Amino acid sequence: DAKTTQPPSMDCAEGRAANLPCNHSTISGNEYVYWYRQIHSQGPQYIIHGLKNNETNEMASLIITEDRKSSTLILPHATLRDTAVYYCIVRRGGSGGGADGLTFGKGTHLIIQP
Amino acid sequence: DTEVTQTPKHLVMGMTNKKSLKCEQHMGHRAMYWYKQKAKKPPELMFVYSYEKLSINESVPSRFSPECPNSSLLNLHLHALQPEDSALYLCASSQESPWGTDTQYFGPGTRLTVL
Repeated sequence: DAKTTQPPSMDCAEGRAANLPCNHSTISGNEYVYWYRQIHSQGPQYIIHGLKNNETNEMASLIITEDRKSSTLILPHATLRDTAVYYCIVRRGGSGGGADGLTFGKGTHLIIQP
Repeated sequence: DTEVTQTPKHLVMGMTNKKSLKCEQHMGHRAMYWYKQKAKKPPELMFVYSYEKLSINESVPSRFSPECPNSSLLNLHLHALQPEDSALYLCASSQESPWGTDTQYFGPGTRLTVL
């Protein structure tokens, strides 16, 4: 799976949009971009994933650049409960030869300020 | 429903004890996973079960023994652990589809302390 690079920490004011960048310059054509977050001492929570088109769900939007070398997770109206570590993970689609695990990087610690 | 449950939430054990962690999902997923997370570190994969068979063991010491009795249940048996094994143990599950993506859903974890 391709390696990802994220800033170690970011601040965002409550009520504003939080934009979390991720660089994955070695991503290959069949690899998806996944985002998870982990609130302190809880299990990671799935947020969203995409291949090349932008995606939106009730939690967030995912913007993937046309060359797919980077992406941005957008939390449109951040609240204090969005304070967490956000992980950007690249992995292949389909299980083809069998299920494999997720490789977590260090992630971005997003702190929402009141 | 995307719920994975784990019991117990907290476990304290001595180095000579034998204990087990339990994970359950009722989403019809055919792949289940154990991860270990040390304080202030990201989760690290330990084991993967696919269709109730162990498919990946990330060189985990034998004092950790996984078991998948059926497609909904995953256990992690612990014996003769060391204090450095204290961590948050996370279980996850996913559908195993050859054509699509396999989103993994995580449980809340078991916080293990080895004295």
